[in-house]
Amino acid sequence: DSGVTQTPKHLITATGQRVTLRCSPRSGDLSVYWYQQSLDQGLQFLIQYYNGEERAKGNILERFSAQQFPDLHSELNLSSLELGDSALYFCASSVVADGAFERQYGYTFGSGTRLTVV
Amino acid sequence: AQKITQTQPGMFVQEKEAVTLDCTYDTSDPSYGLFWYKQPSSGEMIFLIYQGSYDQQNATEGRYSLNFQKARKSANLVISASQLGDSAMYFCAMRETPSGNTPLVFGKGTRLSVIA
Repeated sequence: DSGVTQTPKHLITATGQRVTLRCSPRSGDLSVYWYQQSLDQGLQFLIQYYNGEERAKGNILERFSAQQFPDLHSELNLSSLELGDSALYFCASSVVADGAFERQYGYTFGSGTRLTVV
Repeated sequence: AQKITQTQPGMFVQEKEAVTLDCTYDTSDPSYGLFWYKQPSSGEMIFLIYQGSYDQQNATEGRYSLNFQKARKSANLVISASQLGDSAMYFCAMRETPSGNTPLVFGKGTRLSVIA
């Protein structure tokens, strides 16, 4: 167990639908990052939240949105789903300005949510 | 321009041999961190090793070591004594700025296959 919890692990839904992916960061980590990994591709950064506020935005579609709640868990909302949205979605968390911690743990990733749009 | 380049889509190595996975990066930030992750077929992202831009020595972690050549902007991962369980995708990643509070940027990865 990495300490980052993602639910659900698998999700199958139809085109046009909306889904919500959930992430609980490692205890004490204020930053949450969302990544998308399409088949045989690298990880594409979508969005980052830090202590409840949006901190950085990457290649996130307008149909996608996210938020981070006061208890620091985060949700990624995907709407008007298309076949091309099928992917593995990762959540990661990190500490701030702690080289020693990075050296030991890196950025901690959850086990991912595998989304299949049919 | 790509910030992280992994030029080897796939690599094969004989069991018990050493293998080097290449990674070059591009940044103008003097303070950055470099990471390697392993992704087995089960899909999880496993942190392997970290190198800070100001580290004087190359990072090592068990059978993993990082050949860090700052002037060349390369951070190659060396796996010694390869095992069958090392077969996986390997990703190089970088975060810029001095804090662990910015997104990691990933390369496209290298698929390593270890042959018995």
